[in-house]
Amino acid sequence: DTEVTQTPKHLVMGMTNKKSLKCEQHMGHRAMYWYKQKAKKPPELMFVYSYEKLSINESVPSRFSPECPNSSLLNLHLHALQPEDSALYLCASSQDGRALADTEAFFGQGTRLTVV
Amino acid sequence: KQEVTQIPAALSVPEGENLVLNCSFTDSAIYNLQWFRQDPGKGLTSLLLIQSSQREQTSGRLNASLDKSSGRSTLYIAASQPGDSATYLCAVKSNDYKLSFGAGTTVTVRA
Repeated sequence: DTEVTQTPKHLVMGMTNKKSLKCEQHMGHRAMYWYKQKAKKPPELMFVYSYEKLSINESVPSRFSPECPNSSLLNLHLHALQPEDSALYLCASSQDGRALADTEAFFGQGTRLTVV
Repeated sequence: KQEVTQIPAALSVPEGENLVLNCSFTDSAIYNLQWFRQDPGKGLTSLLLIQSSQREQTSGRLNASLDKSSGRSTLYIAASQPGDSATYLCAVKSNDYKLSFGAGTTVTVRA
């Protein structure tokens, strides 16, 4: 099983709403990532969790709050977002984010977020 | 900071023709390079992973080469089919453990 599952697939939220994106993998990977992708642009790294600890935060605004409750789950909590935050949010995992010779990164199908 | 460039940005070919997609990166101190496929509005599907010690990887009709010293990788797709139409992204993992992506090559295979 090389699957990374993201829910929901689509989300429309108002600027005052609070919502969460969920990501799950059962490959035993210990590194999990959140990326943001705008239309016709490459994915941009937001956060990296390694062994359930936040290891990289790419200066993401605090209205995005990641959480890694266990080694299989990664959440992204959203609050007071702006319309420009509308994008495809991608979750990924790999075997060990700290390993020098890391293995493949596997991506989910993404959550299409629209902020109105 | 690692910069990844993909040329061309878009490519349209008739069915059956071979595809050649190029990727270049500025910092040769990489750990691996990965090629992905992305369909419109969808996630990324991993196609091939090349470790920094490798020169080539093959999977079916796909072949990827890596020349780390010159900062280049090429993805070859043999005998293209309309189902190969997608955006192809290359990503490089550097010593900061981050994946740096190119902007992608959008491929259209005409039936």
